[in-house]
Amino acid sequence: AQTVTQSQPEMSVQEAETVTLSCTYDTSESDYYLFWYKQPPSRQMILVIRQEAYKQQNATENRFSVNFQKAAKSFSLKISDSQLGDAAMYFCASSNNYGQNFVFGPGTRLSVLP
Amino acid sequence: GAGVSQSPRYKVAKRGQDVALRCDPISGHVSLFWYQQALGQGPEFLTYFQNEAQLDKSGLPSDRFFAERPEGSVSTLKIQRTQQEDSAVYLCASSLLAVDLYEQYFGPGTRLTVT
Repeated sequence: AQTVTQSQPEMSVQEAETVTLSCTYDTSESDYYLFWYKQPPSRQMILVIRQEAYKQQNATENRFSVNFQKAAKSFSLKISDSQLGDAAMYFCASSNNYGQNFVFGPGTRLSVLP
Repeated sequence: GAGVSQSPRYKVAKRGQDVALRCDPISGHVSLFWYQQALGQGPEFLTYFQNEAQLDKSGLPSDRFFAERPEGSVSTLKIQRTQQEDSAVYLCASSLLAVDLYEQYFGPGTRLTVT
């Protein structure tokens, strides 16, 4: 069974600063995907970034990047130059390499302070 | 193009009533997922379809929950004899089954309140 843990229920960051959200996971899959999703107050979940476990290079999408430590089963999200629109719930998730067995963490609520 | 849509957006049901929640996935998406999201929690998997086949229903909490996708596109999640603990947001997501395209596209959800 897969589990995803996010140890930070809430985080805050000053506008234009950098923040890192933590995620650890456990899986019995030999290959898998990891995701960060953003859920703004409107509740529609949006994919932020995706990492294939077999790739050693950390994924990057504009201001968003991950620090993927496979041996430690850690998958943190770094948001650079934070913007007010980044305020949302952030969920870390994992799936097997067929895109199934999605498991979500409990989420981290990020506030961005002007 | 159009995203995943869900209807109704809000549903209030009296305890014991049956409800039906609809999901219209993105056209051409093979995979469809249903999740239950309690207030302040992450989504929890309910069931998964590949086309019309329900390949995994291990997350359905009881036999009061039933999902179908008869023609491989629109899906309906039915909850019979609703209970207060069924109150949650029900999210639908679809994905295109192909290598490197496993990201799920989520609908806005249906907020179910059982009184």
